[in-house]
Amino acid sequence: GAVVSQHPSWVICKSGTSVKIECRSLDFQATTMFWYRQFPKQSLMLMATSNEGSKATYEQGVEKDKFLINHASLTLSTLTVTSAHPEDSSFYICSAVRHSTTDTQYFGPGTRLTVL
Amino acid sequence: KQEVTQIPAALSVPEGENLVLNCSFTDSAIYNLQWFRQDPGKGLTSLLLIQSSQREQTSGRLNASLDKSSGRSTLYIAASQPGDSATYLCAVMDSSYKLIFGSGTRLLVRP
Repeated sequence: GAVVSQHPSWVICKSGTSVKIECRSLDFQATTMFWYRQFPKQSLMLMATSNEGSKATYEQGVEKDKFLINHASLTLSTLTVTSAHPEDSSFYICSAVRHSTTDTQYFGPGTRLTVL
Repeated sequence: KQEVTQIPAALSVPEGENLVLNCSFTDSAIYNLQWFRQDPGKGLTSLLLIQSSQREQTSGRLNASLDKSSGRSTLYIAASQPGDSATYLCAVMDSSYKLIFGSGTRLLVRP
């Protein structure tokens, strides 16, 4: 159990377009989901915490108007990169927890975004 | 602000060798510490999770220890195999229940 999927696994887009990434908990209900970004050969950096039915909490330095997060159900959170630019190219990974933020986070396989 | 450091950044060993990966953190007020494995271009696989009240956890050839007071954890891999080649990430859950990751150790086990 505790499988998290992401779609798409990779995406290439032109500068200025918007890209939506989905994160789904397949066999459990996730009260909270997290979005991370990982640049090449660097570690994961938390971007935001997403709670079902409420606004996401963004980490310092992350633009909430650029990275739109929607957690409409207990099994789905989406991250939309608006007006993407080459510097947004990165590996985006989500994680989900069952009950509270102290629980084990189950990670998705990641989405590779390349902005041309 | 919690900072997590992993040493070494990269490691290359011959097959069969026992090895130790190190992780240190600056704030001892952690909820738990977790070791992950990441293969190139892939997501994370959780290896071991140590609660703040625990000293170590074991799973197969892996053993992780935690010394919260000194801000250190080690991941011990016994009898390394080429399939162990990956990046190993250490992460602490801080007092606000957020995971703070180290930059990882890239391990190569040579046949």
